[in-house]
This record gives sequence, C-alpha cells and structure tokens, in this order.
Amino acid sequence: DQQVKQNSPSLSVQEGRISILNCDYTNSMFDYFLWYKKYPAEGPTFLISISSIKDKNEDGRFTVFLNKSAKHLSLHIVPSQPGDSAVYFCAATGGTSYGKLTFGQGTILTVHP
Amino acid sequence: NAGVTQTPKFQVLKTGQSMTLQCAQDMNHNSMYWYRQDPGMGLRLIYYSASEGTTDKGEVPNGYNVSRLNKREFSLRLESAAPSQTSVYFCASSPGQRYGYTFGSGTRLTVV
Repeated sequence: DQQVKQNSPSLSVQEGRISILNCDYTNSMFDYFLWYKKYPAEGPTFLISISSIKDKNEDGRFTVFLNKSAKHLSLHIVPSQPGDSAVYFCAATGGTSYGKLTFGQGTILTVHP
Repeated sequence: NAGVTQTPKFQVLKTGQSMTLQCAQDMNHNSMYWYRQDPGMGLRLIYYSASEGTTDKGEVPNGYNVSRLNKREFSLRLESAAPSQTSVYFCASSPGQRYGYTFGSGTRLTVV
C-alpha cells in the first residue's frame, strides 16, 4: 500500500518556465511533509518542508503548497533552471510513523535550455 | 564536514554470499536509517535506529540485519544475498523527529 504517491514519473519544462511537481498521500496522520532532490550517483538532499498547520512555504524559487482536505501537496519551481534537472521525491511523516519518512516514487524533472 | 559516509560505493556479490554495508555520521545525530532505492519504487525503509542501542524494522526488512554499533555507526548486513537485493542502498541520519534526513551518497549493490 503506497501511502505517498507521485503519479508523474517524469516532467519536462523549458528554462524560465514554472515546474509543478505533485504528490498525494493517503495517511491522514501525516502532518509534516518534505521534498528532496537527487542527482545521479548522489544521495538525496533536503529541499523544502511544510507542516500541516500551514498551507504554503516558500524558499527562494521553491514553494510548497499543501491541501490537507485533498491530501495533496505540490512543489513549484519558478523560474526553472537547467541545474534543477534531477529526481524529486516527496516524503511524509506523522502519527505512528513519527520520525520515519515515507517516500513517493520520485519524479524526474528535465529543464531544457 | 563529512556528514554521512557509506562504504563501499559499489559491490558485486554472488548469490548466497554475505556482506556488511557500513555507515557513519559525524553530526551527533540520534537517529539513523537504511533505505533501498529501486526503479519505480522510490525509497523504502529497511531498518532504522531511533537512538543508540535501539533498532526497529521498516517496510522491507526481510533478508537484512542491522547493528547500531555506537551513536556514529549503523551497519546493514546481508547474510545470504539474493538477486532481489540488487539495489542502491542509502544510509541517512537525523537529529530526531520533525527534522529532515542527511543522506549518504549510496552503495550500488549487484547480486548475480
């Protein structure tokens, strides 16, 4: 049972445009959500997070939106840059899973110059 | 800062062989984790250690054992490797709840 799902395996955007990566979750006990970025042959690195008491968190070009009623979060990257090309994982924790992150399958983002 | 160090980076095993993946962190984090990454499956938790002296099973523990040797080190052992254990293995550490993880660079394991 996949509790965190990223239904788009890949996304391709033009440099300068907006990239929107989506993530859905099923466990209503999750109350903290994170996005990680992964380059080939490297470990994932933390990008941005959001608590369930907020619906938006912004850090430079990256904004995460949380819709608790829909159990959906999204990561917006504006403007997209070629260096943003990587695999993006969303992750969640909370309830009995506290302290452990449950990850989605990942979305491969390609930003074309 | 070294962060989280994993060894080895690459390994090829024959079916039935055993090996230990090593992980060490220098950030004084309490919690440590082992994940495996497979295509289309994302990162799945194998075992974790919430604090020194404790270990617990994650989502996919079968075929693995772990040891939290001290606060810095958390090793993952495959007693009898199987082709299904071909994967990229990541170790991570965290200060505790509601904090993100710091990951190592991974071990790419192939079992033939």
